[in-house]
Amino acid sequence: EPEVTQTPSHQVTQMGQEVILHCVPISNHLYFYWYRQILGQKVEFLVSFYNNEISEKSEIFDDQFSVERPDGSNFTLKIRSTKLEDSAMYFCASTRPNTEAFFGQGTRLTVV
Amino acid sequence: AQKVTQAQTEISVVEKEDVTLDCVYETRDTTYYLFWYKQPPSGELVFLIRRNSFDEQNEISGRYSWNFQKSTSSFNFTITASQVVDSAVYFCALLGGSQGNLIFGKGTKLSVKP
Repeated sequence: EPEVTQTPSHQVTQMGQEVILHCVPISNHLYFYWYRQILGQKVEFLVSFYNNEISEKSEIFDDQFSVERPDGSNFTLKIRSTKLEDSAMYFCASTRPNTEAFFGQGTRLTVV
Repeated sequence: AQKVTQAQTEISVVEKEDVTLDCVYETRDTTYYLFWYKQPPSGELVFLIRRNSFDEQNEISGRYSWNFQKSTSSFNFTITASQVVDSAVYFCALLGGSQGNLIFGKGTKLSVKP
């Protein structure tokens, strides 16, 4: 069964460092997403990506965040200068239009 | 505005009890989709069900059942004869026709004790 793959599963980084979270969406999906879940809280939308550009982003997705689909299979989330409050589980998801989103296993980011 | 409310923060039941998780949504879209996801202690998000706004038929899948009522904007989830493995956080989510992303509720943490 096809699945969304995220790497690494856990990333520890120092405050102020840049991190890149990696995702390989399901191959025939067209829409890609990043969501964030701070420990114990709800899942929050960050950004959606379609046709090689951002289609929507939330208030959380400020200038320190960026996304890329560099090679047609990977979908990355870059956080330029991490802050303590960026510590969270980051989920990548992909979907065809108006269907359920398939989520990756998540990357737990810990900023120290 | 799109919104999903899961008023129950935590529920604790004893194994074999039935339990219903509530979900109330708000949307101005006439076409929308509702979802339930399960998040076990391991952290991943597991898709359970999707309903579109034109299909109000209740659905049963094994011990799981869903009651979608447009009149009350609710999409409740019932687990019959709960088991310890059902212990997880359950999220209700909304995908409006005018918006491409899922709006999640805050989740309900279900603890099933043996």
